[in-house]
Amino acid sequence: GQQVQQSPASLVLQEGENAELQCNFSSTATQLQWFYQSPGGSLVSLLSNPSGTKHTGRLTSTTVTKERRSSLHISSSQTTDSGTYLCAPSGTNAYKVIFGKGTHLHVLP
Amino acid sequence: DPKIIQKPKYLVAVTGSEKILICEQYLGHNAMYWYRQSAKKPLEFMFSYSYQKLMDNQTASSRFQPQSSKKNHLDLQITALKPDDSATYFCASSQDGTGNERLFFGHGTKLSVL
Repeated sequence: GQQVQQSPASLVLQEGENAELQCNFSSTATQLQWFYQSPGGSLVSLLSNPSGTKHTGRLTSTTVTKERRSSLHISSSQTTDSGTYLCAPSGTNAYKVIFGKGTHLHVLP
Repeated sequence: DPKIIQKPKYLVAVTGSEKILICEQYLGHNAMYWYRQSAKKPLEFMFSYSYQKLMDNQTASSRFQPQSSKKNHLDLQITALKPDDSATYFCASSQDGTGNERLFFGHGTKLSVL
């Protein structure tokens, strides 16, 4: 089955610094989503990017489908960005979206 | 307004009892899912339904039974509860479950089994 590896496992930044999060997955994916999980536990879809580069606000995702990897760049981090970022590729078995363990981001004021 | 409603938000149960977790979505989606997240563990896929039919089941135990009475409902019945069942249970939905869709989550039901 699909295996998802996210790195780094945790990241501490000063406010204003940029963050680069990586996601590698083992099987072909036709969809790749990035989610944010708040410290309180709620899950929010940030963006979906099956291939290429996509921007939304301070977020940029680049997915290289053939190499089974995706990255999420967060520019000018803010304390409110603190939380866990989850990568979720999905592919031929679309009814089962598998999540990585996430990158725990802590942004210091 | 939350578009995926999960009830209750918190639930405390005793070992051996039975509980039903409620999920309703108002996004007009045809695919619904259950995920579980135990303390310090990643989100774990449990079930997926499309057009009220079970599509995938990754839960080994028959104590977990999804119930879909309407297209926009997918409840989760858990019987013979164990302390290991303590987790946050998330309901999610997508348009049809065909692979290129975005997944949307409810806020979760935090279950504690004593």
